[in-house]
Amino acid sequence: DAGVTQSPTHLIKTRGQQVTLRCSPKSGHDTVSWYQQALGQGPQFIFQYYEEEERQRGNFPDRFSGHQFPNYSSELNVNALLLGDSALYLCAVGGSNTGELFFGEGSRLTVL
Amino acid sequence: GENVEQHPSTLSVQEGDSAVIKCTYSDSASNYFPWYKQELGKGPQLIIDIRSNVGEKKDQRIAVTLNKTAKHFSLHITETQPEDSAVYFCAVAYGGSQGNLIFGKGTKLSVKP
Repeated sequence: DAGVTQSPTHLIKTRGQQVTLRCSPKSGHDTVSWYQQALGQGPQFIFQYYEEEERQRGNFPDRFSGHQFPNYSSELNVNALLLGDSALYLCAVGGSNTGELFFGEGSRLTVL
Repeated sequence: GENVEQHPSTLSVQEGDSAVIKCTYSDSASNYFPWYKQELGKGPQLIIDIRSNVGEKKDQRIAVTLNKTAKHFSLHITETQPEDSAVYFCAVAYGGSQGNLIFGKGTKLSVKP
């Protein structure tokens, strides 16, 4: 059990559109990180949220934004979609006092 | 920034043999090193991790060794089984933050019955 639920599991968008992906941690997980995994590659860190604030950010443009809600759930928003944004988007959760990071099953985004 | 290299990219073994995957990293301040297993169509699953104050950790058929001086760590799987077939990723916590992991490019392990 990954301890986190992501939705939707699959979606298709066209270039220029906007997308919102959602992540719901199970209780006890207050830190949420988002990763992008292109086909055949390892996951790449996008950003991390804790206490409803973005705490760290990877090397991704401002088109990628996020939000964390008081119940620790989170959203990832991507604006002005490009073909290169096609990837598996992974949400990872971990208690701030344990460190281990547990991944959800991901949202597979295809941009046409 | 941190750079993680993983070898080999593919590995094929016979059932019952051992498998070893190696990773090197560049930032000597790194102190947390997890390994993930990813099956087709699923998210990465944490299988074992090690922190910098330990040289080796074992969990049943899986073990991880860490050499901080040489900046490399390895995953060892003994008595491999067909269900071990998957892509394995090593990772390093960047800047001491365990939410920000730098991943290797992965090793596709195939265990032949």
